[in-house]
Amino acid sequence: NAGVTQTPKFRILKIGQSMTLQCTQDMNHNYMYWYRQDPGMGLKLIYYSVGAGITDKGEVPNGYNVSRSTTEDFPLRLELAAPSQTSVYFCASVSGNQPQHFGDGTRLSIL
Amino acid sequence: GDSVTQMEGPVTLSEEAFLTINCTYTATGYPSLFWYVQYPGEGLQLLLKATKADDKGSNKGFEATYRKETTSFHLEKGSVQVSDSAVYFCALSDDNTDKLIFGTGTRLQVFP
Repeated sequence: NAGVTQTPKFRILKIGQSMTLQCTQDMNHNYMYWYRQDPGMGLKLIYYSVGAGITDKGEVPNGYNVSRSTTEDFPLRLELAAPSQTSVYFCASVSGNQPQHFGDGTRLSIL
Repeated sequence: GDSVTQMEGPVTLSEEAFLTINCTYTATGYPSLFWYVQYPGEGLQLLLKATKADDKGSNKGFEATYRKETTSFHLEKGSVQVSDSAVYFCALSDDNTDKLIFGTGTRLQVFP
């Protein structure tokens, strides 16, 4: 049982490049989330999804896009990377009254 | 909107000392409350939770009680170990969407 899996673990991008952060879960959870964690700060919600085909903005959605074509996958897309998007990104999932399960994170640096 | 405020760190303690990390919240509904722990280089792990007023969550010697009258969920441990060194996040969950709202985190450093 892998839980929540994020890839890649580390990535360096140049300004203006694009990339997709992958997140997949094998627990059949309906709800999935993307957070970013800036140094010395708590986690901020970027986007979330309550089920396949349904996504909604969180607190800090600008510069990102998501899709949810399947229950398992919830990729996060950066179209034009900016230095302000340097952060650690966490994906999480939950179902019912259970606590959220987090992936190990993707550390992204934009130079 | 809903929010979580927790004490700033770092908190520096000697092994076997008593730990308290304060957490207060504001919420319009009846949220569940959580403490998550993040060890260096790792993701967040649930430490404990409480889903209603006066509930006490406990795990690995850590405890926190959901106090509705003071809107608090303070984390305590009677005797910390070096292995407890980590960042601790207090969080509440939105009733309808299970969105988590996090505090800024408190770094705990325990020295032998």
